[in-house]
Amino acid sequence: QQQVKQSPQSLIVQKGGISIINCAYENTAFDYFPWYQQFPGKGPALLIAIRPDVSEKKEGRFTISFNKSAKQFSLHIMDSQPGDSATYFCAASSGQGAQKLVFGQGTRLTINP
Amino acid sequence: NAGVTQTPKFQVLKTGQSMTLQCAQDMNHEYMSWYRQDPGMGLRLIHYSVGAGITDQGEVPNGYNVSRSTTEDFPLRLLSAAPSQTSVYFCASSYSSRHEQYFGPGTRLTVT
Repeated sequence: QQQVKQSPQSLIVQKGGISIINCAYENTAFDYFPWYQQFPGKGPALLIAIRPDVSEKKEGRFTISFNKSAKQFSLHIMDSQPGDSATYFCAASSGQGAQKLVFGQGTRLTINP
Repeated sequence: NAGVTQTPKFQVLKTGQSMTLQCAQDMNHEYMSWYRQDPGMGLRLIHYSVGAGITDQGEVPNGYNVSRSTTEDFPLRLLSAAPSQTSVYFCASSYSSRHEQYFGPGTRLTVT
């Protein structure tokens, strides 16, 4: 079963706009929520991550918003640039039990100039 | 540091053949994992290891074997390749599942 559900599958945003990608999870034991960025032909790379003791984390133009009660978290890219065009994956893992990092299905983001 | 290295970059197999995908890291990471990436499916965990001599199954382990005899190496073996195993395979390493995963460049496998 898919433990982390990501939407949308693809997203087109104009340059300078805000890109928003959403993820929902089921396992309440998850306590680490990273976002990875992947360019074509490359392996994913960590973009930003959050732990559930905060509701928001910002790094430059990238912000994670976290809603523990709704079991949802999202990535916001402000002032989106053509260089942000990539596939984005959310993920989650738990410090308890099996140490698995599970990924969402991915979102292909295209920023039009 | 070379980081995470994977070999080969590309491989074509016939149905029923076996092969080993190699993965090595030089960051002294305890946690290593194998993922497969298929369109629309994201990255699915095949097997992972929390240290030398310790491995466990992920979401899609069937048809794959792993072993971890050293901290540095984590090979993935396909026992009898099937067309359904056509995919891009990524190896990753980190201090734990709750720290930054460093991914290798991937192996594109085609099974005919």
